Amino acid sequence: DAMVIQNPRYQVTQFGKPVTLSCSQTLNHNVMYWYQQKSSQAPKLLFHYYDKDFNNEADTPDNFQSRRPNTSFCFLDIRSPGLGDAAMYLCATSRDIGTDEQYFGPGTRLTVT
Amino acid sequence: AQSVTQPDIHITVSEGASLELRCNYSYGATPYLFWYVQSPGQGLQLLLKYFSGDTLVQGIKGFEAEFKRSQSSFNLRKPSVHWSDAAEYFCAAPPVGSSNTGKLIFGQGTTLQVKP
Repeated sequence: DAMVIQNPRYQVTQFGKPVTLSCSQTLNHNVMYWYQQKSSQAPKLLFHYYDKDFNNEADTPDNFQSRRPNTSFCFLDIRSPGLGDAAMYLCATSRDIGTDEQYFGPGTRLTVT
Repeated sequence: AQSVTQPDIHITVSEGASLELRCNYSYGATPYLFWYVQSPGQGLQLLLKYFSGDTLVQGIKGFEAEFKRSQSSFNLRKPSVHWSDAAEYFCAAPPVGSSNTGKLIFGQGTTLQVKP
């Protein structure tokens, strides 16, 4: 089945140690999103790619970066994780910008020790 | 400020009972509205969406929602809840003027617990 895949499902990193989370999709969608969801909170959009165009949310910390080397893959890089970055990170895709349905991956649970 | 509000943080219903989850929005114009469900440890799945037209929207898994402009509400309903419906439910909408950006504002979520 076509889907959004996130690896790993669980990631433990040390304070200040760079970490990369991976997302891939077989839907051939143009748009890929990264959300941060802290415990008992709503998902918060960090940034998204429309094709190769990167769109950063104004309040996303500089510590968070993203790469999209091709249509299928998108990476979230956290350059120096802090304890406050522990969260579930959700990747989503949509066929196009606007009101198209977003398809979510299962998420990566990041723990910072 | 534009916002999506889910007044109920936690709801418990008995299996087989009816369910209504509330969602209120504050927008000037008719918004696009979505309901997503998140099972524990999983990503979000779209239940249904409203763009325009018929104000009663049917979704997956037996859910429906009704858009009421006069009440600024988009409540989610299900006539008979199953134990597998226990999950977190999020109402969402794009910010006004940003419907073409893909950005969604989510409500705080409602946790549904189903009693046997």
